[in-house]
Amino acid sequence: DGGITQSPKYLFRKEGQNVTLSCEQNLNHDAMYWYRQDPGQGLRLIYYSQIVNDFQKGDIAEGYSVSREKKESFPLTVTSAQKNPTAFYLCASSIGRGYSYEQYFGPGTRLTVT
Amino acid sequence: GNSVTQMEGPVTLSEEAFLTINCTYTATGYPSLFWYVQYPGEGLQLLLKATKADDKGSNKGFEATYRKETTSFHLEKGSVQVSDSAVYFCALIRSAGGTSYGKLTFGQGTILTVHP
Repeated sequence: DGGITQSPKYLFRKEGQNVTLSCEQNLNHDAMYWYRQDPGQGLRLIYYSQIVNDFQKGDIAEGYSVSREKKESFPLTVTSAQKNPTAFYLCASSIGRGYSYEQYFGPGTRLTVT
Repeated sequence: GNSVTQMEGPVTLSEEAFLTINCTYTATGYPSLFWYVQYPGEGLQLLLKATKADDKGSNKGFEATYRKETTSFHLEKGSVQVSDSAVYFCALIRSAGGTSYGKLTFGQGTILTVHP
């Protein structure tokens, strides 16, 4: 079955450490996205990528970095510069450009930094 | 800029009750509108969508109609079940300037709890 895989489901890190969240899709989608979800808030866009080797900052990119070396993969690194990294992180993908294309979401990774 | 406003929750209903979750939006042009559902501990699933004015999206007994005159996309279900307990997000997509990409703008989410 096609879908989006995020691993791990739960991740714990000490403050000051960088951590990388995995996102893989086998839907043959061109576009991929990273969102952050905090309690009582909607999702906020961190980064997005429309094609391989290209990505753009979203609304809250500070303290995060991404790469898109393969169509299937879009890992997110939460750096030590992110002031409040504890959150639920969701990866999504869509067929491609076009404003009517719905996005499909992975199961998410809950990151806790202490 | 674009924005989505949902009714504040949480919403608590008894099984078989009628559900309405209000959603209004601000956007230029003609956005596409979506309802997503998030079950506890999971990612989001697309529930329904509408891409132009007066379209009605429907799925699993849920419905929402794209009302451009009132900039609304209210979610309704005639008879809710315990299994409908989840967080519901209203969202829109609009192309930005000369770049068309699927930048979703979300509402803050509405928690629905259905009791037997």
